[in-house]
Amino acid sequence: EAQVTQNPRYLITVTGKKLTVTCSQNMNHEYMSWYRQDPGLGLRQIYYSMNVEVTDKGDVPEGYKVSRKEKRNFPLILESPSPNQTSLYFCASGRGGLEKLFFGSGTQLSVL
Amino acid sequence: AQKVTQAQTEISVVEKEDVTLDCVYETRDTTYYLFWYKQPPSGELVFLIRRNSFDEQNEISGRYSWNFQKSTSSFNFTITASQVVDSAVYFCALSTLIQGAQKLVFGQGTRLTINP
Repeated sequence: EAQVTQNPRYLITVTGKKLTVTCSQNMNHEYMSWYRQDPGLGLRQIYYSMNVEVTDKGDVPEGYKVSRKEKRNFPLILESPSPNQTSLYFCASGRGGLEKLFFGSGTQLSVL
Repeated sequence: AQKVTQAQTEISVVEKEDVTLDCVYETRDTTYYLFWYKQPPSGELVFLIRRNSFDEQNEISGRYSWNFQKSTSSFNFTITASQVVDSAVYFCALSTLIQGAQKLVFGQGTRLTINP
């Protein structure tokens, strides 16, 4: 089954404690992206990757890091989480161009 | 700059009523795609439709229909004979290419509640 898998589904952490949210896709997609969803703001892009070792900033990249060492994986790293990073996070993948994106189930992060 | 506006933050209707969700977009690109996604209470994002900028034909899929008008930069979504299962947050999105990379910009979302 074609899917984008995010883990964990829920995460509660404390300020400053490094964390990683994993994202994996099994569709051999070149394009992957991370979004955060906040009430009244819709989804905003954090980072995206057009292929292995090719990543770039989205609209709200501050406080986040990503890496793309393999085509299928695109982890989101918060080196020193802060309460304003409490949000619902989505990973997505696609074939690139203007094709539709496939989304993971989301990760609800709470930073205390 | 790319922008999508969903002016209706929340809509509440009684089951079987028709409801239209508005979406207005801004872009200077001539080639782009428009999307609608549904986010049910379970939280996942479900793809509903994709429309390219050169195809202004309206589309109908069961109780769902979409009206794309380039003249008003709108891509509205209508649910006919709404059902409780239609309750969700609906997002309109605009996809363009920025320096070869796909840029997907979402609207703020419209929370639709269908009451029995």
